[in-house]
Amino acid sequence: AQSVTQPDIHITVSEGASLELRCNYSYGATPYLFWYVQSPGQGLQLLLKYFSGDTLVQGIKGFEAEFKRSQSSFNLRKPSVHWSDAAEYFCAVGAPGTSYDKVIFGPGTSLSVIP
Amino acid sequence: GAGVSQTPSNKVTEKGKYVELRCDPISGHTALYWYRQSLGQGPEFLIYFQGTGAADDSGLPNDRFFAVRPEGSVSTLKIQRTERGDSAVYLCASSLMAVPSSPLHFGNGTRLTVT
Repeated sequence: AQSVTQPDIHITVSEGASLELRCNYSYGATPYLFWYVQSPGQGLQLLLKYFSGDTLVQGIKGFEAEFKRSQSSFNLRKPSVHWSDAAEYFCAVGAPGTSYDKVIFGPGTSLSVIP
Repeated sequence: GAGVSQTPSNKVTEKGKYVELRCDPISGHTALYWYRQSLGQGPEFLIYFQGTGAADDSGLPNDRFFAVRPEGSVSTLKIQRTERGDSAVYLCASSLMAVPSSPLHFGNGTRLTVT
């Protein structure tokens, strides 16, 4: 079975600074990978996903993520953070050929943005 | 409404009581998922429906938890003899089809507090 870790519980960045949120997974083959964002009082929103193909994935709100098989990682990046990006970010991993019931969510990274 | 709707948004109940949590998915979405999110954790899968039937209920923690979706649209998560450990945010999500290529849309959740 797959698993996922997010090593950083909380990160604080200044507005305008670059951002990288780490995600590591464990799975025997190429998994499905997702990043979701959860703003206070809101439901989770999909930022981007990777199934196959180009390892650099572009998402919404200016986010991107890179799948690195050799490092079992799928880190989320943004070149310039806005105050509205303050939220909880979840990485998730799924097994190809299965549905969302088999998708495992990481514990999340809380992002604070300093004006 | 255009999104997934969950009611109530907050529910406080006493230990031992019965509670029902409701989810209205996006119209036309055949797959519906329930998750539980404890503080500082990512969503944890409980059960999912494909149409009216429960396709996978392996995430339900014990037989105090039950969910229905009688007409293939609205779903109700039912918890009997609530315990303080049941306190969490219960999330509902729906997708057009039960495949990861079909985006998952989350509701804002129901925060359940058992006193």
